[in-house]
Amino acid sequence: ILNVEQSPQSLHVQEGDSTNFTCSFPSSNFYALHWYRWETAKSPEALFVMTLNGDEKKKGRISATLNTKEGYSYLYIKGSQPEDSATYLCASLASGNTPLVFGKGTRLSVIA
Amino acid sequence: GAGVSQTPSNKVTEKGKYVELRCDPISGHTALYWYRQSLGQGPEFLIYFQGTGAADDSGLPNDRFFAVRPEGSVSTLKIQRTERGDSAVYLCASSFPGTRQFFGPGTRLTVL
Repeated sequence: ILNVEQSPQSLHVQEGDSTNFTCSFPSSNFYALHWYRWETAKSPEALFVMTLNGDEKKKGRISATLNTKEGYSYLYIKGSQPEDSATYLCASLASGNTPLVFGKGTRLSVIA
Repeated sequence: GAGVSQTPSNKVTEKGKYVELRCDPISGHTALYWYRQSLGQGPEFLIYFQGTGAADDSGLPNDRFFAVRPEGSVSTLKIQRTERGDSAVYLCASSFPGTRQFFGPGTRLTVL
């Protein structure tokens, strides 16, 4: 059984600050890591799907890295804006057709 | 439709009642997943359909929970004799096999 951990549980930052959070996952039986952004009452929005060790992906001010050998991924947000406020979930996949195993998420609040 | 839709968006029921939650996946997606997010937790897998059949129902917590997908498209999650502990956000996701899962906005179930 996969166990995905995220830290911190919650984070409050000022507008303009850069921030990062961590996702750790078992490095054995790894297929892919997903990052989602989830605003209340909306659908979780996929940010990144990462599969290769050393992968780095970027989408606007948000980027992510992946280390499959040690089992962790970092999500970075540069110059946080109030609209970045959401819960950021990571999820690990053991194979292509298995369900996602989610962490508990990091709840980010960006204060204007 | 353009995305995954779920109805109702909110459901309040009394302990012991029966509820049905509906998921309309993206047209053509053969894989459909149900997850449940309880307060303070990440989404947890319930059941996975490939076409009409349940490929993996290992996440269903007990026999009060049942899901169907009779025509390989719309799915209904059914909960009998609801308990207060069933209160959660129920998320549905769909995909082509082995590809990124697209999520609906969820149904927030409250059992009084």
